[in-house]
Amino acid sequence: GENVEQHPSTLSVQEGDSAVIKCTYSDSASNYFPWYKQELGKRPQLIIDIRSNVGEKKDQRIAVTLNKTAKHFSLHITETQPEDSAVYFCAARNTGRRALTFGSGTRLQVQP
Amino acid sequence: KAGVTQTPRYLIKTRGQQVTLSCSPISGHRSVSWYQQTPGQGLQFLFEYFSETQRNKGNFPGRFSGRQFSNSRSEMNVSTLELGDSALYLCASSLRDSSTNEKLFFGSGTQLSVL
Repeated sequence: GENVEQHPSTLSVQEGDSAVIKCTYSDSASNYFPWYKQELGKRPQLIIDIRSNVGEKKDQRIAVTLNKTAKHFSLHITETQPEDSAVYFCAARNTGRRALTFGSGTRLQVQP
Repeated sequence: KAGVTQTPRYLIKTRGQQVTLSCSPISGHRSVSWYQQTPGQGLQFLFEYFSETQRNKGNFPGRFSGRQFSNSRSEMNVSTLELGDSALYLCASSLRDSSTNEKLFFGSGTQLSVL
């Protein structure tokens, strides 16, 4: 089955700096890669996603890049703010398999 | 439009008991998925229901089961509880089934503690 590894498990940055979270996946047939943000005590929420026919996608301060050959994808947050502090989960899905496989999460702490 | 609602919010059970968790999806959503969240393990997929049919199942023992009703509400049941079942159980809904790569909307979860 699919296996998604996520690094680092914790990340601390200063406000205004950039943060990068990386994920690798094992199933070359995976074609959908969403990122979810979970603030403390709250539900996970989709912040950005990318499909395998696209190499990069941006939404304001957030961007995701995908390297299908290397089977890894990354989340980039620029100009970090304290409200970006949360746990971020990457995920991958093979349409045929249907279920999303999540990474183990990255706890991002933005220091003011 | 109301979001995904899970009840109860917290549960405390003892080993060997069984528990039923409930999930009401967003109105009009027909797909409900269940995930187990534990510290350091991320979200582990349990199962997905679409139009009252189980479409996919994760690698959990048979003690974990679920069902979906005609109004798309879903329940999951865990029998013969073990200490390791302590976790946050999240359900997520989407309009169509997961093969469409649609956005998942998560509920706030049920925090289950097994003593």
